[in-house]
Amino acid sequence: GAVVSQHPSWVICKSGTSVKIECRSLDFQATTMFWYRQFPKQSLMLMATSNEGSKATYEQGVEKDKFLINHASLTLSTLTVTSAHPEDSSFYICSARKDREGAEAFFGQGTRLTVV
Amino acid sequence: AQSVSQHNHHVILSEAASLELGCNYSYGGTVNLFWYVQYPGQHLQLLLKYFSGDPLVKGIKGFEAEFIKSKFSFNLRKPSVQWSDTAEYFCAVSIFNKFYFGSGTKLNVKP
Repeated sequence: GAVVSQHPSWVICKSGTSVKIECRSLDFQATTMFWYRQFPKQSLMLMATSNEGSKATYEQGVEKDKFLINHASLTLSTLTVTSAHPEDSSFYICSARKDREGAEAFFGQGTRLTVV
Repeated sequence: AQSVSQHNHHVILSEAASLELGCNYSYGGTVNLFWYVQYPGQHLQLLLKYFSGDPLVKGIKGFEAEFIKSKFSFNLRKPSVQWSDTAEYFCAVSIFNKFYFGSGTKLNVKP
C-alpha cells in the first residue's frame, strides 16, 4: 500500500510559539490531504481538507488563523499550529488520497503535540 | 454536519467468538464506506471499503462488512476472532471528498 509519513512523531513546545507538522506521501501523488485531531478516547475529528495548489477547506469550529495548512506540492502538506496554547495539546494525524473522489485515504503515524 | 456512529465503544471477546461491530451514518446521498483498524502503537490501516456493487464486502484478515442502504449501516463482522485482532476499529464515511470517522471501538480478544 501507499505510505504516508508525518514528521515529527512528537513535539513539545512552549506556549506562544508555533510548531509545524509535515505530512508527506512517499510513493504516490496526493491530490487531497486531510488533517485530523484526536482527543484521548475520542474519534478523529476532521480539521481541514486541502487540495494541492488551493486553499484548505476548514471544518466548522476550526480556526483558520490558528491552524495554518499549506499543500504546496502533490507530496507535501504542512500544518502549523500558531501561538500554541496548552489546550492545543493533542494527537494530530494526516491522511492522503490519490484521487479526488472515492479512493481510500492512507494515514500517517500521527504527531503528538504537547504545549507547556 | 455529517455523523458516523459506532455503538460499541469497548468489546471484549474470547478467541473464536464471532464479532459484529455496528456503524451507522447520517447522510442520504451517495457515500463511500470504510473500516480502518489501528493496532497498538501503529497507524490506521484499511480493513475494507465499499464504493458500489455487492453490498457484502470482504476485506483483509477474514473481515467482512455489509452495507444496508435502508438502514444507513455498514456493520463489520468476523466469524471467529483471534487474539491478534485486538485493536481499535474505526468506521469512516467519505462524502464529497471528505472523510468522517466514528468514535471507534476498542476490541480486546482474550486468548
